[in-house]
Amino acid sequence: GESVGLHLPTLSVQEGDNSIINCAYSNSASDYFIWYKQESGKGPQFIIDIRSNMDKRQGQRVTVLLNKTVKHLSLQIAATQPGDSAVYFCAENPTSGYSTLTFGKGTMLLVSP
Amino acid sequence: GAVVSQHPSWVICKSGTSVKIECRSLDFQATTMFWYRQFPKQSLMLMATSNEGSKATYEQGVEKDKFLINHASLTLSTLTVTSAHPEDSSFYICSASTGGEQFFGPGTRLTVL
Repeated sequence: GESVGLHLPTLSVQEGDNSIINCAYSNSASDYFIWYKQESGKGPQFIIDIRSNMDKRQGQRVTVLLNKTVKHLSLQIAATQPGDSAVYFCAENPTSGYSTLTFGKGTMLLVSP
Repeated sequence: GAVVSQHPSWVICKSGTSVKIECRSLDFQATTMFWYRQFPKQSLMLMATSNEGSKATYEQGVEKDKFLINHASLTLSTLTVTSAHPEDSSFYICSASTGGEQFFGPGTRLTVL
């Protein structure tokens, strides 16, 4: 079946750097995408979302970019802080009903002080 | 708002016993609840989707007789792992939705000895 995947399993950055986490999705019918942050031993925490009729959305220190042509999603974190260290998942809504989400494999972000 | 709780947060049980995990939406009524399983260093895998008052819809490969889901009210869903075995040890996460965004619980760590 189709799935959402990530290019990098681990990303190490220095505090203050900008981080970019990438995600490739394969279901061209997906119309809604979400980035989640998951700290160790906790549930996923919503970061930012984007609908397929947009190519960019900004939040506080975070930006999500969507490239539907190549089915690619990215999360940019500005001025990364140690508290940003976590696993980041992208998720897509394949429009199969009940707001179902398919999660990508995840990227571990490690921020060094 | 949109807080989801799980109980217990962790549980250790002997092989062959059954364990019940509760998922509650504390400040909203959830028409749909989802149960996910997450193994170490892996992504969230959807196990089943349940609507209040209806039988749960299980994902392919998930044994419905082993993972019993009850969604008796708009604020409570339970997952019972019957005859648990060590391979059932995992992090179980629920989410609740009113039809749009999913709100995730903090997860329950199950360890089967």
